[in-house]
Amino acid sequence: KNEVEQSPQNLTAQEGEFITINCSYSVGISALHWLQQHPGGGIVSLFMLSSGKKKHGRLIATINIQEKHSSLHITASHPRDSAVYICAVRFHSGNQFYFGTGTSLTVIP
Amino acid sequence: DTGVSQNPRHKITKRGQNVTFRCDPISEHNRLYWYRQTLGQGPEFLTYFQNEAQLEKSRLLSDRFSAERPKGSFSTLEIQRTEQGDSAMYLCASSLALGETEAFFGQGTRLTVV
Repeated sequence: KNEVEQSPQNLTAQEGEFITINCSYSVGISALHWLQQHPGGGIVSLFMLSSGKKKHGRLIATINIQEKHSSLHITASHPRDSAVYICAVRFHSGNQFYFGTGTSLTVIP
Repeated sequence: DTGVSQNPRHKITKRGQNVTFRCDPISEHNRLYWYRQTLGQGPEFLTYFQNEAQLEKSRLLSDRFSAERPKGSFSTLEIQRTEQGDSAMYLCASSLALGETEAFFGQGTRLTVV
């Protein structure tokens, strides 16, 4: 069964804290996306990964293919980072994306 | 190219009415996906097209739902005889083909059935 699990489900942080959001999946994948969704808004793709690590500004995404696990890190968090962060994977066995339920992040000033 | 565009952004309709949403993908993308997202949940797959061919449909896509991509460019998703349970965000995404290709998402159409 193709499954994607995220943790934590909800996260509250003080401005400036280092944040980690985790994503685990059940079987081999061809691609993994980290997505950001603001309340009432559409989805923005932050990263697409198939191996290793990517960095963009204060955001870092890593993936461990052997452990079937990815993490999204936010350094020096800011209130504008408050959003839902969603992990989405495309499994080798299929053509569609499967999504985690998201991590709702609130950064308090 | 301004990315994936969805129209309308918001739609309020009475139960029993038909609604149609449109998605304009990134022009060179041959794959187009429709997803539905209910409050507090991650998006769920509805269907996808490769060019004009609809290659896969979820069991979530009941007989009241139909999607088309007539010329392999824009796509429409129609819901007939809407029900309150259809209230959700309908998301469209596009990409090239399989493998290490990035998917781009539209802003979504939020449907409210009253």
